[in-house]
Amino acid sequence: NAGVMQNPRHLVRRRGQEARLRCSPVKGHSHVYWYRQLPEEGLKFMVYLQKENIIDESGMPKERFSAEFPKEGPSILRIQQVVRGDSAAYFCASSPLLTGGNYTFGSGTRLTVV
Amino acid sequence: EDKVVQSPLSLVVHEGDTVTLNCSYEVTNFRSLLWYKQEKKAPTFLFMLTSSGIEKKSGRLSSILDKKELSSILNITATQTGDSAIYLCAVEAGNAGNMLTFGGGTRLMVKP
Repeated sequence: NAGVMQNPRHLVRRRGQEARLRCSPVKGHSHVYWYRQLPEEGLKFMVYLQKENIIDESGMPKERFSAEFPKEGPSILRIQQVVRGDSAAYFCASSPLLTGGNYTFGSGTRLTVV
Repeated sequence: EDKVVQSPLSLVVHEGDTVTLNCSYEVTNFRSLLWYKQEKKAPTFLFMLTSSGIEKKSGRLSSILDKKELSSILNITATQTGDSAIYLCAVEAGNAGNMLTFGGGTRLMVKP
C-alpha cells in the first residue's frame, strides 16, 4: 500500500517560470491537502481538495497559485510566474473522509527559484 | 485566527537525557491535537490526542493533552541520537472541514 507520492522531489525554476507540483494520494483516500514549509518554520495550510472540488483554499495566495484534484490523476499545485519568495518545501497529505487523525504526508517537493 | 505555539524552538541534549516538548493552542472548535516527527522528509505520525488527561505511550515517547490549559506535552525518555528531528504539533479544529494548524516545531538534537 503505497503512501502519498509527490513529484518531483526537487524542482528548480527561474523567476517568471511556472512550477507544477504533483501529488498522488494514498489509495482509497478521497481528500488531499497542500502545505508549504518555509525554512526554519512549521507547515502552513494552503488548500484542501476532494475529487473535482476545492473545499477550502483560505491559505493559498489569491494570485499565481492554483490547485486541482481531477477525477482521474494526481492533484496538481500550480504556481505561475514564480518569485524567489516561493522557494519552500511543499507537502501534500491525504486522508479518508473521516480523518480520525489519519493524515498521511508525502515526502514533499522542494522548490528553488533562482 | 487559529494559533499553535511550540517551545522550546530548539534543544540540544545528550543521549540518555529526558526531554519535554511543549505545545499550546488557541483555536475555535478544537477536535484533536497531533504530534509528528520530521526528519528531512515527510512528517511521520506519532500521536493523536482528543481527551484531556489520558496519556498516550509508544516506547520511550509519551504525550498528554490538557484541554483546560489548552496545551500538550511530548516526553521522550532515554533519548537516542535517532530521536534527533523536528517535532511538530498540529491541531485539527473548526467546522469547515479537515485541516491542520501547525506550530513552528521544536528542533531536537541528541548528541552521543
